[in-house]
Amino acid sequence: AQSVAQPEDQVNVAEGNPLTVKCTYSVSGNPYLFWYVQYPNRGLQFLLKYITGDNLVKGSYGFEAEFNKSQTSFHLKKPSALVSDSALYFCALLTDSWGKLQFGAGTQVVVTP
Amino acid sequence: EAGVAQSPRYKIIEKRQSVAFWCNPISGHATLYWYQQILGQGPKLLIQFQNNGVVDDSQLPKDRFSAERLKGVDSTLKIQPAKLEDSAVYLCASSLVGGGGNSPLHFGNGTRLTVT
Repeated sequence: AQSVAQPEDQVNVAEGNPLTVKCTYSVSGNPYLFWYVQYPNRGLQFLLKYITGDNLVKGSYGFEAEFNKSQTSFHLKKPSALVSDSALYFCALLTDSWGKLQFGAGTQVVVTP
Repeated sequence: EAGVAQSPRYKIIEKRQSVAFWCNPISGHATLYWYQQILGQGPKLLIQFQNNGVVDDSQLPKDRFSAERLKGVDSTLKIQPAKLEDSAVYLCASSLVGGGGNSPLHFGNGTRLTVT
C-alpha cells in the first residue's frame, strides 16, 4: 500500500535558524512527491515537487527538499526561516496516473522572532 | 491569472439539512478535484473530474454526497442530509491535465462547513 507520513505535528524554530520538515513515504516503484503550504483560512499552495533527476529540488519562497531513496524520505528545508513561514505544511504522494494525491497529516511550523 | 474560486466561504447548518458548495476552476483547467479537510488531518480526495467525466469517486460517500460538473467548467458539491462528522473544510482544486506529476494542483480558499 502507498502511504506518506509526517512524523512531527509541530516544528518550532527561531527566525534565522534552519528549518526542516520531515516526510517519509512508502510506495512500490518510483515516487512522485510534493510539498504544499497552507496559510490560515487559505487553500494549499504548491511549493515544489520531485519527479526524477537531482535529489535536491528547489522550490518557491526559498524552500528546497531533499529526496533520499534509501531512507524513503523527502524532507523540506529552508536555510533561514522567516516569521512569515509560519504555516501548515503538507507532504503529498502521487498515487495514480490521473493525478490523485495522498496527503500527509500536516506539520505546523511556528517561527518565533 | 485568476485563481480557483469557491463559495460560500463559511456555512453553518444543522444536521440532516442539505448544503451545496460551488467551485469555478482556473480557466482552461481540465481536471477538477474536491477534497475534504477535517481539522488536524490532511486533505482527502472526494471526487475527481476530467472535463465533465468522473475519474475517481471511490471515497465519496454516495449515500449523502453528490457532485457534478455538467459543462466541464464549474462544479457543485452537495451534501444531503448532513451529519455532524461532515464538519470540515471543502477544498476545490484544478490542474491543467490529470497527472499531478506535470501539472500541480491549484487550490481555492475552501468552504468551512460546520454542522451542529
